[in-house]
Amino acid sequence: DGGITQSPKYLFRKEGQNVTLSCEQNLNHDAMYWYRQDPGQGLRLIYYSQIVNDFQKGDIAEGYSVSREKKESFPLTVTSAQKNPTAFYLCASALNGGPSGQPQHFGDGTRLSIL
Amino acid sequence: EDQVTQSPEALRLQEGESSSLNCSYTVSGLRGLFWYRQDPGKGPEFLFTLYSAGEEKEKERLKATLTKKESFLHITAPKPEDSATYLCAVQAPVGSNYKLTFGKGTLLTVNP
Repeated sequence: DGGITQSPKYLFRKEGQNVTLSCEQNLNHDAMYWYRQDPGQGLRLIYYSQIVNDFQKGDIAEGYSVSREKKESFPLTVTSAQKNPTAFYLCASALNGGPSGQPQHFGDGTRLSIL
Repeated sequence: EDQVTQSPEALRLQEGESSSLNCSYTVSGLRGLFWYRQDPGKGPEFLFTLYSAGEEKEKERLKATLTKKESFLHITAPKPEDSATYLCAVQAPVGSNYKLTFGKGTLLTVNP
């Protein structure tokens, strides 16, 4: 079955540590996205990529980094510079990121907590 | 700045009691309005895309409608399994790219 796989489901970070969240899709989608979800807030865009080897900052990119070396994969690194990383992280993909109004499809998220 | 406001924040219904959720938006150059369902601890599940005012989409007990300023998600004779958070999002151009702006969601609880 086609879909988006995020791993791990739960992740704990120590002070000063970088952690990487995995996102893999087999939908043959060009565009991929990372969002952060906090209680009582809408999803906020961290980074997005419309094509391999290219990505753009979203609204809250500080303290995060990404790479897009393969079409199927878009890992997110939460660096030690992100002072409030505790949140539910969601990865999404879409056929393309253009003006055609294609829906984004989401994985089941990674919940990151601070130790 | 694009804005999406969902109301009510929470809604509690009895099984079979029909109601509507509202999504009002302020955006320039709407490309699409999306409805999602999100269960606790899961990612949002895509339900509908609406592209232009007057458009309607239906799926089982759900019907989504769109005007120039808002969208409604009508739930007819809901069942307990319809309990979830319903999210609305709008897609619009930002420079040369296109961005989704999400509302905060409506938490729907359907009691048996």
